[in-house]
Amino acid sequence: DGGITQSPKYLFRKEGQNVTLSCEQNLNHDAMYWYRQDPGQGLRLIYYSQIVNDFQKGDIAEGYSVSREKKESFPLTVTSAQKNPTAFYLCASRDRAIDTQYFGPGTRLTVL
Amino acid sequence: QKEVEQNSGPLSVPEGAIASLNCTYSDRGSQSFFWYRQYSGKSPELIMSIYSNGDKEDGRFTAQLNKASQYVSLLIRDSQPSDSATYLCAVNPFDKVIFGPGTSLSVIP
Repeated sequence: DGGITQSPKYLFRKEGQNVTLSCEQNLNHDAMYWYRQDPGQGLRLIYYSQIVNDFQKGDIAEGYSVSREKKESFPLTVTSAQKNPTAFYLCASRDRAIDTQYFGPGTRLTVL
Repeated sequence: QKEVEQNSGPLSVPEGAIASLNCTYSDRGSQSFFWYRQYSGKSPELIMSIYSNGDKEDGRFTAQLNKASQYVSLLIRDSQPSDSATYLCAVNPFDKVIFGPGTSLSVIP
């Protein structure tokens, strides 16, 4: 079964803690993306990676970090420096052949 | 000026009617255009992609692209209550996809 998986589905964190969101894909896509979505809002790009061991900041990278050590995996760490981390986090990968992005199911992070 | 704009919602249509969703974009170099549907609490799912001027039909959905006017639209024929969702327009000028804020559609039975 090909696709994008994100875990966990729901995540609760205390203020001041770092937390890592998992994103895995078995679609053999080179490019992967992280977005944040707040209630009633559109998608905002946090980080993206076009190839293994390389990634670029998106529009709202402050307080977040990523790594891309494997083609299949693009984990996102939400650090304590992120002021308002409560949001819906979406991971996506892109099929370059048809220039199309596909999304994982998302992780809903709540800071208590 | 926002890079991708969509008509403000919410949009309400009766069941069986045509729903028309509009999107404009600012980057003339954009080559790929997409419509995603997002149900409440779920992730976006791709419903249409269009790359050249004109119309592209897929079942009850028709995407229309006019690069000269920097305009892309989505028509949903015979709207069903299950079409009630937020529709996101997305534009890809380079390696980043830029999303619009979305239009909420409600189909009234």
